[in-house]
Amino acid sequence: GAVVSQHPSWVICKSGTSVKIECRSLDFQATTMFWYRQFPKQSLMLMATSNEGSKATYEQGVEKDKFLINHASLTLSTLTVTSAHPEDSSFYICSAKTSVSSYEQYFGPGTRLTVT
Amino acid sequence: GNSVTQMEGPVTLSEEAFLTINCTYTATGYPSLFWYVQYPGEGLQLLLKATKADDKGSNKGFEATYRKETTSFHLEKGSVQVSDSAVYFCALRPSDGQNFVFGPGTRLSVLP
Repeated sequence: GAVVSQHPSWVICKSGTSVKIECRSLDFQATTMFWYRQFPKQSLMLMATSNEGSKATYEQGVEKDKFLINHASLTLSTLTVTSAHPEDSSFYICSAKTSVSSYEQYFGPGTRLTVT
Repeated sequence: GNSVTQMEGPVTLSEEAFLTINCTYTATGYPSLFWYVQYPGEGLQLLLKATKADDKGSNKGFEATYRKETTSFHLEKGSVQVSDSAVYFCALRPSDGQNFVFGPGTRLSVLP
């Protein structure tokens, strides 16, 4: 089946630094990728949708200058948390779709970010 | 707006017990409904889905029926196994868009 990987799986960084999280579709081309954030015991909250080669569409309330998303190829999207603060600590999950018309999303295993 | 509510966990059952995880939703129109499962250390996997009222999704012994009159999509399994231990997410995809709305997830632990 379709496999999505994320790297790293866990990262700790100091407040004020930036962190990049990668999301890769390993055996298919992802025209659309999604980034979610999950707080403990809470729902996955969609942060943004990115289509290969175009700018990401951010959900209301998500700071686009803080959460930089790049979808430079059909197999890679990156999320960069800039000037991270402790409140950015969370579980970040990406997902990918194989085509614009398909509603099924394939999810990565998630990245746990801890900002100290 | 669109939302999904799930029963709070964790749920702990003995092997071969009957499982029900309640899920209700709020949405306009006719959303598609999904159950995803997340095993430890892995990504979310689609477990089953239903795209219209009265549809029943089923997979690996799990079932859920799309009930529009009660806006529910409860997950059931007649006899759980230790290997079913995971977090289960109920989700909807609105009829007017592609973005999913997830419930908070329910952690299931099955004891031998």
